[in-house]
Amino acid sequence: DIQLTQSPSSLSASVGDRVTISCRASQFISRYLNWYQHKPGKAPRLLIYAASSLQSGVPSRFSGSGSGTDFTLTISSLQPEDFASYYCQQSFGTRAWTFGQGTKVEIK
Amino acid sequence: QVQLEQSGAEVRRPGASVKVSCKASGYTFTDYDIAWVRQAPGQGLEWMGWISPRSGDTTYAQSLQGRVTMTTDTSTSTAYMEVRSLTSDDTAVYYCAREDRYAGNGYYILYFDYWGQGTLVTVSS
Repeated sequence: DIQLTQSPSSLSASVGDRVTISCRASQFISRYLNWYQHKPGKAPRLLIYAASSLQSGVPSRFSGSGSGTDFTLTISSLQPEDFASYYCQQSFGTRAWTFGQGTKVEIK
Repeated sequence: QVQLEQSGAEVRRPGASVKVSCKASGYTFTDYDIAWVRQAPGQGLEWMGWISPRSGDTTYAQSLQGRVTMTTDTSTSTAYMEVRSLTSDDTAVYYCAREDRYAGNGYYILYFDYWGQGTLVTVSS
């Protein structure tokens, strides 16, 4: 299976900060990489698909970049509602999808 | 609007089985595949497998092979996920998710665009 490693595992940030989360794949996955936001007690929410395409209804402060093995999720100006966990997920090749271990964004 | 409505919380003894349902509405059920994802307490998201409501084809995560079965009932637009021989490690919130696709130039990138609200399954003696 393809392994995804996110960094950092957690971070503390203030409202208005620029936040970047990295996701590295154990092998080449082209742009087959998606990002989700997950809050406790809620269903995960799709933010970015195909590495850089913004899902409908998601604020433009969220952006994704990368291809191959290295990917980044950026929040340009952190808002109070953005404190959550973030997961990358790959869908490359035959169906054996995997998620990164998650990054928890906490209030500083 | 697209909705995935899951069944309620379950408590099971070790060794038992549990079956979770996911009723879809707001779209043509057979046009999109359904995936199942779980999250154990304090852990991350784990992809469990996938089913095509149109063909019935399935793929399961290796870690669950032999213990999980995914099915659909197209007459009621409902997907089901059953896990057998439960242990405490199966205590988790279980989610169903609709799988959509981005069409590139000769390729597709799959992603989960709508999710159920989650079903807590507790395995305890």
